[in-house]
Amino acid sequence: DTGVSQDPRHKITKRGQNVTFRCDPISEHNRLYWYRQTLGQGPEFLTYFQNEAQLEKSRLLSDRFSAERPKGSFSTLEIQRTEQGDSAMYLCASSLPAGEASYEQYFGPGTRLTVT
Amino acid sequence: AQSVTQLGSHVSVSEGALVLLRCNYSSSVPPYLFWYVQYPNQGLQLLLKYTTGATLVKGINGFEAEFKKSETSFHLTKPSAHMSDAAEYFCAVSDNTGRRALTFGSGTRLQVQP
Repeated sequence: DTGVSQDPRHKITKRGQNVTFRCDPISEHNRLYWYRQTLGQGPEFLTYFQNEAQLEKSRLLSDRFSAERPKGSFSTLEIQRTEQGDSAMYLCASSLPAGEASYEQYFGPGTRLTVT
Repeated sequence: AQSVTQLGSHVSVSEGALVLLRCNYSSSVPPYLFWYVQYPNQGLQLLLKYTTGATLVKGINGFEAEFKKSETSFHLTKPSAHMSDAAEYFCAVSDNTGRRALTFGSGTRLQVQP
């Protein structure tokens, strides 16, 4: 098991462009979370999936953001019409579905987005 | 609503000295508490967690933390700092609802001086 992976690790884009990030969770984890981390701050919750169902979205997730998890495996996070304020580290985490271990989230290395 | 406050955005210690990173939380339900470490340009790694049971929890790399309900605190300690401990440390609380999302503090950067 290689842990949670994210691709790309870095993305530089111009304002107004669309970007898409991918997250591959640990294989037996059916919960998947997206967080955003801005410079000097802790991560903030964006959304989460249980299997393929997106169960909650934070109010931080504007309508320019969309996340999917087809077939309950990998997930994608798309940002349309990027703005400079979208510049941040986007972190993905996964966890087991139930029991005390489900409270342990395992994080990927993140995708650092820079909007110029 | 839950919140986490980490006192001190930067802490500097000498190698071999005690490490103490402070965390206070606010939660309307019994909290599940976590400490994560983040090295530059990397994701977060779980150091330790408190869910139920023993209030003194031990984690990886010699770290431990004590849950004190009366003080709403979950401070992280290590008896003797090592150069490799230099990193950003985040305290987090999990909501005990179905989503179990983490609410993080703003982090404490630990510097270890030789």
